[in-house]
Amino acid sequence: EAEVAQSPRYKITEKSQAVAFWCDPISGHATLYWYRQILGQGPELLVQFQDESVVDDSQLPKDRFSAERLKGVDSTLKIQPAELGDSAMYLCASSPGTATNEKLFFGSGTQLSVL
Amino acid sequence: GNSVTQMEGPVTLSEEAFLTINCTYTATGYPSLFWYVQYPGEGLQLLLKATKADDKGSNKGFEATYRKETTSFHLEKGSVQVSDSAVYFCALSTGAGNNRKLIWGLGTSLAVNP
Repeated sequence: EAEVAQSPRYKITEKSQAVAFWCDPISGHATLYWYRQILGQGPELLVQFQDESVVDDSQLPKDRFSAERLKGVDSTLKIQPAELGDSAMYLCASSPGTATNEKLFFGSGTQLSVL
Repeated sequence: GNSVTQMEGPVTLSEEAFLTINCTYTATGYPSLFWYVQYPGEGLQLLLKATKADDKGSNKGFEATYRKETTSFHLEKGSVQVSDSAVYFCALSTGAGNNRKLIWGLGTSLAVNP
């Protein structure tokens, strides 16, 4: 079965540095999500793309986080500067569309540690 | 507003025990309901779903029934295995198109001992 690819798998950085995460969704999936998951909590939506357009970034801390999906395929999430509180798992997910009953396909995530 | 409430974990069971993880929701309209599972070190994957009242989702021996009258979607399995040790998330989906929203529970950790 096709998978959502994410890299890197782990990232350790110092606070105030810049970090970037990459996601390649399943081919043909129009909708792409970036989630942040803190240990012991559920996923928190950061940004949702429909093709190359952002449809929801209401929870994205825009002073330090940015996300793009320039050609409507793969996507990059950037944090600059990183803060200690950004340590979390960053999950990418995709789905074919946006029907209410569609499931999401998740990547394995990027575990970020900010020192 | 829309919300999902799951029973708190961790839940610890012996192999072959019966499992119930409670999930209740608050939503307007007619949401779809999901259970996702996250194995250690992995991303989430769909376990089962139900899209309308009285639907029963099932997969890998797990079942959950969409109960509109009690606004619940409890996850059950008759006989758990060590390999079922994971974190289980209940979620609901409302709206469609650009208005689609997914609401997640906090997750329930399950540990199954041999």
